[in-house]
Amino acid sequence: DAGVTQSPTHLIKTRGQQVTLRCSPISGHKSVSWYQQVLGQGPQFIFQYYEKEERGRGNFPDRFSARQFPNYSSELNVNALLLGDSALYLCASSLANSGNTIYFGEGSWLTVV
Amino acid sequence: AQTVTQSQPEMSVQEAETVTLSCTYDTSESDYYLFWYKQPPSRQMILVIRQEAYKQQNATENRFSVNFQKAAKSFSLKISDSQLGDAAMYFCAYRRSFTSGTYKYIFGTGTRLKVLA
Repeated sequence: DAGVTQSPTHLIKTRGQQVTLRCSPISGHKSVSWYQQVLGQGPQFIFQYYEKEERGRGNFPDRFSARQFPNYSSELNVNALLLGDSALYLCASSLANSGNTIYFGEGSWLTVV
Repeated sequence: AQTVTQSQPEMSVQEAETVTLSCTYDTSESDYYLFWYKQPPSRQMILVIRQEAYKQQNATENRFSVNFQKAAKSFSLKISDSQLGDAAMYFCAYRRSFTSGTYKYIFGTGTRLKVLA
């Protein structure tokens, strides 16, 4: 079975632009989470979705938004990009909104110039 | 708020030797989960081992084991018979019990492990 897949792998954007990152969970997984990993740091929680509803939000500005589709895939949108948004964005999926282990994708590297 | 601290930015170990990575955390919760994740250059976070706080027995997965000291809020990872493929960033992570309704993982800053041939 395919693991968590994310696209694009790498992208470069200019300050002020908008970006959309995509994530497909492992087949059968209904929960998706997003994390931001700045170089040299551990991942920081951004959002968690389960059954298309937001179940958790980290300490990020309203420029960050996300949604989950009926097929459980997810998109993370970031508006008005800042240089500080440059990071690896990780998506993780799990079977349910409970104690199940989460599985990460390989991430999307965003560089803002 | 919960925090996770990894005080060793980098560690080195000789191939076939044993190394211990340290992690401390702070929480007022009594029920939670602790994890060690490995992040190789491919960037994908891979679960190494998981510990439930209510279990007194330390978790073990093949060459990987933990020393969980709940009172001291310490959670170290021991890698035995180190292999070249163990070289990676290792992150310690905390998550409250799922009954709390939140699913947020809190990660430390990581320890880079180098394995010397």
